[in-house]
Amino acid sequence: AQKITQTQPGMFVQEKEAVTLDCTYDTSDQSYGLFWYKQPSSGEMIFLIYQGSYDEQNATEGRYSLNFQKARKSANLVISASQLGDSAMYFCAMRGRNFNKFYFGSGTKLNVKP
Amino acid sequence: DSGVTQTPKHLITATGQRVTLRCSPRSGDLSVYWYQQSLDQGLQFLIQYYNGEERAKGNILERFSAQQFPDLHSELNLSSLELGDSALYFCASSVEQAGEQFFGPGTRLTVL
Repeated sequence: AQKITQTQPGMFVQEKEAVTLDCTYDTSDQSYGLFWYKQPSSGEMIFLIYQGSYDEQNATEGRYSLNFQKARKSANLVISASQLGDSAMYFCAMRGRNFNKFYFGSGTKLNVKP
Repeated sequence: DSGVTQTPKHLITATGQRVTLRCSPRSGDLSVYWYQQSLDQGLQFLIQYYNGEERAKGNILERFSAQQFPDLHSELNLSSLELGDSALYFCASSVEQAGEQFFGPGTRLTVL
């Protein structure tokens, strides 16, 4: 069975500091994709970053990077130089070999302090 | 703005009623996904369509149904509504059956 686990319900970070949001996954598929989404208080879901299971390099998108450790089945999101606008819920998600289904974690609420 | 549109933005109705939520995917996207986000259940995948055909089903109740039309817009029908159906319903689209999904702003359904 596919499963995504986010063990940090809430986190605080000081503005301009880096923060790591944890995500572990469980799958028996050899091919899969990992995603991170941001959900601000306004409610919309914003795609941040994608990592394929066969990608050898960690994905990066601006201030976002994905620390992909395949053997440990972890896909942590690193946000560098946090900004007040980064305060939001962050969801880790996985697409398995059955491409049609996405599995989401329970989310981490990040608060950036000025 | 993701390019995915959903209407209505808010919907308030009573138990036992039926409602229809509408979604228009991004231009060029063939896949449409529906999700339910509630406080106690988190984000739950409901159903996916690809180019008019149902491709995957998640935790969708029998009281719920969906379809994707030839112009690729999709509708989610919720019937015999219960208080527990109150949630934020998202539509997402993607170009293919895989790849990143782009979410619409959601429809907040309140069942009284």
